[in-house]
Amino acid sequence: EVQLVESGGGLVQPGGSLRLSCAASGFTFSDYSMNWFRLAPGGGLEWLSYINSISDIIYYAASVRGRFTISRDNAKNSLYLQMNSLRGEDTAVYFCATRSQQLDAFHIWGQGTMVTVSS
Amino acid sequence: DIQTTQSPPSLSAFVGDRVTITCRTSQSITTYVNWYQHKPGKAPKLLIYAASNLQTGVPSRFSGGGSGTEFTLTITSLQPEDFATYYCQQSFSTPWTFGQGTKVEIK
Repeated sequence: EVQLVESGGGLVQPGGSLRLSCAASGFTFSDYSMNWFRLAPGGGLEWLSYINSISDIIYYAASVRGRFTISRDNAKNSLYLQMNSLRGEDTAVYFCATRSQQLDAFHIWGQGTMVTVSS
Repeated sequence: DIQTTQSPPSLSAFVGDRVTITCRTSQSITTYVNWYQHKPGKAPKLLIYAASNLQTGVPSRFSGGGSGTEFTLTITSLQPEDFATYYCQQSFSTPWTFGQGTKVEIK
């Protein structure tokens, strides 16, 4: 079964750090570029970061640039998001997803992991 | 950045109804728009890519149209499992942006 499973979410204080993981199975992870997104309470989906299959092209949204770092380990079929200097507005469900170059769309998604930034 | 706007923010409909959601972008993006369905606690699901192409496995009651700056997602004969939030997304340029979503609720 094709699957992405996020983990690592939780409660963190403002200014703190958290590392999210995304485990892939059922497909050749190293063939796909990967992305992180979030869905804040009462908000819409927001794209956060992109990494290509060999980690030499990386993009960030302005809202997280300089605070968040995307990385991947193809040998472990895993994607990561290191989140530093967290703020209340970072509270959201965080999703990972593949990007299909053929479809020009995000076509495999995980169910998300909740991050709450609060004192 | 390309601004992406959806309307309406929410709608109520009966099972069997025809529903249309509109997405507008701040500049022309030809047909670089995708549509997703999201249910709480679940993974978002790709429905339509490149404005009008049905993703594999998606029922034919879903269809997409439009080009330039205005796009539509239509669901003919709404089914119980279609009650969800729908998002459009422009894939023309980074940062890739989504509409604010349209929540489709049971009437």
